[in-house]
Amino acid sequence: AQSVTQLDSQVPVFEEAPVELRCNYSSSVSVYLFWYVQYPNQGLQLLLKYLSGSTLVESINGFEAEFNKSQTSFHLRKPSVHISDTAEYFCAVSPRGNTDKLIFGTGTRLQVFP
Amino acid sequence: EAGVTQFPSHSVIEKGQTVTLRCDPISGHDNLYWYRRVMGKEIKFLLHFVKESKQDESGMPNNRFLAERTGGTYSTLKVQPAELEDSGVYFCASSQDRVEQYFGPGTRLTVT
Repeated sequence: AQSVTQLDSQVPVFEEAPVELRCNYSSSVSVYLFWYVQYPNQGLQLLLKYLSGSTLVESINGFEAEFNKSQTSFHLRKPSVHISDTAEYFCAVSPRGNTDKLIFGTGTRLQVFP
Repeated sequence: EAGVTQFPSHSVIEKGQTVTLRCDPISGHDNLYWYRRVMGKEIKFLLHFVKESKQDESGMPNNRFLAERTGGTYSTLKVQPAELEDSGVYFCASSQDRVEQYFGPGTRLTVT
């Protein structure tokens, strides 16, 4: 079985500051890793994913995440946040070879203040 | 290309009533998933259709929940009779390759 832990339920940060949203997972098999974002009053959107290859993956809006197999982590980072990054962020995994379902963490609410 | 759509966006019903949620996946996506988020908790998988067949329904909470996907296009999720603990946001997602899932905006269900 797989599980995902997002220890920070809320992260307040000022605009232009760096941010890291933590994600750790547990799995007995190899997994694919995802970050989804939910902006206010919108649905879930895929932010970035790790399937294979380079362990550092980037999104089009400046976020990046690094897969660390030894620490079973997939933390999300951005060097300088904007007000528009205010949203809820969800880390998720799916087991390789059986991608019928995503297993989500409880989400981290990022609040960016001016 | 239209995304995943869900109807209604909100539903408020009384305990014991019936509610039917609808999901229209992205055209051509054979895979359709239902998830649910109870307030403050994680988003949990309910079930997965491949075309009109249920591939995995291990996440369905009990027999008050019935999901269908007649003709392999849109899907409905019926809750009958609804209980207070069924309140939450119900998400639908679709996928072509079973790796990347595209989510709808969700239906917020409130049972009073």
